[in-house]
Amino acid sequence: QVQLQESGPGLVKPSQTLSLTCTVSGGSISSGSYYWGWIRQPAGKGLEWIGRVYTSGTTNYNPSLKSRVTMSVDTFKNQFSLKLNSVTAADTAVYYCVRDIGSRWSGGWFDPWGQGTLVTVSS
Amino acid sequence: QSVLTQPPSASGTPGQRVTISCSGSISNIGSNYVCWYQQLPGTAPKLVISRNDQRPSGVPDRFSGSKSGTSASLAISGLRSEDEADYYCATWDDSLSGAVFGGGTKLTVL
Repeated sequence: QVQLQESGPGLVKPSQTLSLTCTVSGGSISSGSYYWGWIRQPAGKGLEWIGRVYTSGTTNYNPSLKSRVTMSVDTFKNQFSLKLNSVTAADTAVYYCVRDIGSRWSGGWFDPWGQGTLVTVSS
Repeated sequence: QSVLTQPPSASGTPGQRVTISCSGSISNIGSNYVCWYQQLPGTAPKLVISRNDQRPSGVPDRFSGSKSGTSASLAISGLRSEDEADYYCATWDDSLSGAVFGGGTKLTVL
């Protein structure tokens, strides 16, 4: 079965770019009509959808983050990635990568989830 | 402020039936399916209900979901101590062209 694992720096300085990678194992990132997405959760708070990317490169982003977010897929490495620029302390959160079983016009169906990785924005 | 509205807390005693609500609008729940996630302390969320009322393999049949109009509900019957967790609803919002979550409901088993 498909498993996801996030990786990347746990500490990022303010104004810099947060970069995370999610490695897909147990299946090909290109098989099936899936999107691949990112969700974050600040400590003690709820879940926030960041966005998703299809293997063709098509993306959907949270409007509140759209100007700072870039997502991409590397089918050869079976990975997808998140870049969030101009970060502030408000971007400190646990970041989860997910498989999005939605279609072009639907979503909210995430399975499985990675274990999550804490990213702290601090100087 | 979340797009979907959930009660912040819910509680019940072992064996009881508990329901958690999720309220939205025509552009999200009214037009799309709803999924529910269980987040145990210190762990990643886990899908417990997909497409309004579908239970993934391995999820006990004590968990059930429903949707009517612009609202959805998650019901847990035969409540057990291991059900104590945060629960989130999620769906797609056509106006935002993105996924949206409820604020989460903390379920306490008394």
